[in-house]
Amino acid sequence: TQLLEQSPQFLSIQEGENLTVYCNSSSVFSSLQWYRQEPGEGPVLLVTVVTGGEVKKLKRLTFQFGDARKDSSLHITAAQPGDTGLYLCAGVGSYSGAGSYQLTFGKGTKLSVIP
Amino acid sequence: NAGVTQTPKFQVLKTGQSMTLQCAQDMNHEYMSWYRQDPGMGLRLIHYSVGAGITDQGEVPNGYNVSRSTTEDFPLRLLSAAPSQTSVYFCASSYSRAAANYGYTFGSGTRLTVV
Repeated sequence: TQLLEQSPQFLSIQEGENLTVYCNSSSVFSSLQWYRQEPGEGPVLLVTVVTGGEVKKLKRLTFQFGDARKDSSLHITAAQPGDTGLYLCAGVGSYSGAGSYQLTFGKGTKLSVIP
Repeated sequence: NAGVTQTPKFQVLKTGQSMTLQCAQDMNHEYMSWYRQDPGMGLRLIHYSVGAGITDQGEVPNGYNVSRSTTEDFPLRLLSAAPSQTSVYFCASSYSRAAANYGYTFGSGTRLTVV
């Protein structure tokens, strides 16, 4: 079983601060995705990173995939209250038959940005 | 474009009752799946389907049945509800059998309470 550990579990910061969320595993993933989930809603895909060392930017969000494809980070610059939510990382790992590749989800980082 | 639609949004069942959670997508996605989300446990895969007529078990399949008679619909049946099945259930779909690299589209969830 491939596991993804996210840290921190909870993060409460003031508007305008920077933050980094981490996603780590002892397993290699072929790609990794980040989702954001707001209360009462399903997760929404933010980005997919595929190549080791890859960096992708989405406005104030920067995503990095580790060189060894075992870890990833999400950095938010100048956080805003609208960034509040549960951030989930998910790795594409082992083949599980029937031509499909399952996602393994981390347990998430709950971010609160205080105005 | 409605995306992934789940019904009902909330449900209370008595122990031993059966019910079906509905999931429909209008994106012509091949891959569909059901997850449950519990505090401290993250998202766990119940069942998935890589196309009409093809289903398989995920990490926590016991007590649940699925079928996929059309590309659009993927209902989840609880055979005899138990309090341990109290959870938030999410349906997710993806474009391809190589599902994970394309990212998932999630529904907004069904919050189920079994008393």
